[in-house]
Amino acid sequence: KNEVEQSPQNLTAQEGEFITINCSYSVGISALHWLQQHPGGGIVSLFMLSSGKKKHGRLIATINIQEKHSSLHITASHPRDSAVYICAVSGGSNYKLTFGKGTLLTVNP
Amino acid sequence: DGGITQSPKYLFRKEGQNVTLSCEQNLNHDAMYWYRQDPGQGLRLIYYSQIVNDFQKGDIAEGYSVSREKKESFPLTVTSAQKNPTAFYLCASSIVDRAFYGYTFGSGTRLTVV
Repeated sequence: KNEVEQSPQNLTAQEGEFITINCSYSVGISALHWLQQHPGGGIVSLFMLSSGKKKHGRLIATINIQEKHSSLHITASHPRDSAVYICAVSGGSNYKLTFGKGTLLTVNP
Repeated sequence: DGGITQSPKYLFRKEGQNVTLSCEQNLNHDAMYWYRQDPGQGLRLIYYSQIVNDFQKGDIAEGYSVSREKKESFPLTVTSAQKNPTAFYLCASSIVDRAFYGYTFGSGTRLTVV
């Protein structure tokens, strides 16, 4: 069983819809990361959080440490949001990340 | 602007040849990492280094080698011993500090064995 599970694997939405991507993990962590990977392959770090909620523009990330669960929300989705969204967790003394398999989001105009 | 530079973006290698992927950062980050990405799988750690002249194997180190002679550079060599080297390779770096982790990723190198 993967230590980091994301759902759904694929998500198709219409422009303007509210999007939620979920991430569950089974290990103790120091921080949880949400990352965005565009078709070219490069990865951008969206959020790093260890508690509560963070907001940046139309993106909101929440984490519930007790339930070992995090969500990434996108409000008023736009075709340019189409990408793979990856959840990753870090913990321990070596700071390496354990990744989920990613959620492919497609937003249609 | 600070960041990570990976080169080349696309690389073709003949079977049986070694090839080296470059990763350079100017962020003054202590730690550097190499990850491999295959279709339908999460990124997997190949090697990581927290200080110069020291590195550790990750989850899938077999068939790979690295060096860390300078803080800025962490090249990855894919050797002929790697049975299935065709993949997307990502380099990352981070601050080594319990109070804050700043991860930065490169744009990746896509390696194809022909």
